[in-house]
Amino acid sequence: SAVISQKPSRDICQRGTSLTIQCQVDSQVTMMFWYRQQPGQSLTLIATANQGSEATYESGFVIDKFPISRPNLTFSTLTVSNMSPEDSSIYLCSVSRQGPNEKLFFGSGTQLSVL
Amino acid sequence: AQRVTQPEKLLSVFKGAPVELKCNYSYSGSPELFWYVQYSRQRLQLLLRHISRESIKGFTADLNKGETSFHLKKPFAQEEDSAMYYCALWGGANNLFFGTGTRLTVIP
Repeated sequence: SAVISQKPSRDICQRGTSLTIQCQVDSQVTMMFWYRQQPGQSLTLIATANQGSEATYESGFVIDKFPISRPNLTFSTLTVSNMSPEDSSIYLCSVSRQGPNEKLFFGSGTQLSVL
Repeated sequence: AQRVTQPEKLLSVFKGAPVELKCNYSYSGSPELFWYVQYSRQRLQLLLRHISRESIKGFTADLNKGETSFHLKKPFAQEEDSAMYYCALWGGANNLFFGTGTRLTVIP
């Protein structure tokens, strides 16, 4: 298994500011993902965090809005930039040792509210 | 396009009754299907994968390609089964598509 520490667990932010969410894994993993879960919606993949290179973003998500870092195989950050109330959501870090068709491990999530 | 549909947002059953959580998918290729579960105040975790054909906590799910379904079943519901259940589909690449989830409540 993989133990994931995600922080902060929740935050309330002002419009126009940015928040960086951290994801720390207790062992090296091949793949790290960032998901968003808007109220009443399903989990949506934002991007795959690639170690040592730029993240791979899904349709509808861009690097300027959601910059991602992954300096090594155990750590990643997601920044939600220039926030608006529409960004209020749960953000989840997820990891897999091989790929999403293998078992995904999830962090506890970050509940973000933007005023 | 890949899509996962869970038609029931809420499902309540009595303890000891059978339970079935519905999941339908849309995918042109050969999918891999999963069920994830989130118990109260716990993180999302894998319940089962269709290719492993195993039964976890008494739950089973059979992939029906003709009906494009992957319903989750348990013959006798327990109170500890109360949770949020998500069906998910992997169609290649790095994306796992999730349904909107079904909240199961088992009534004592």
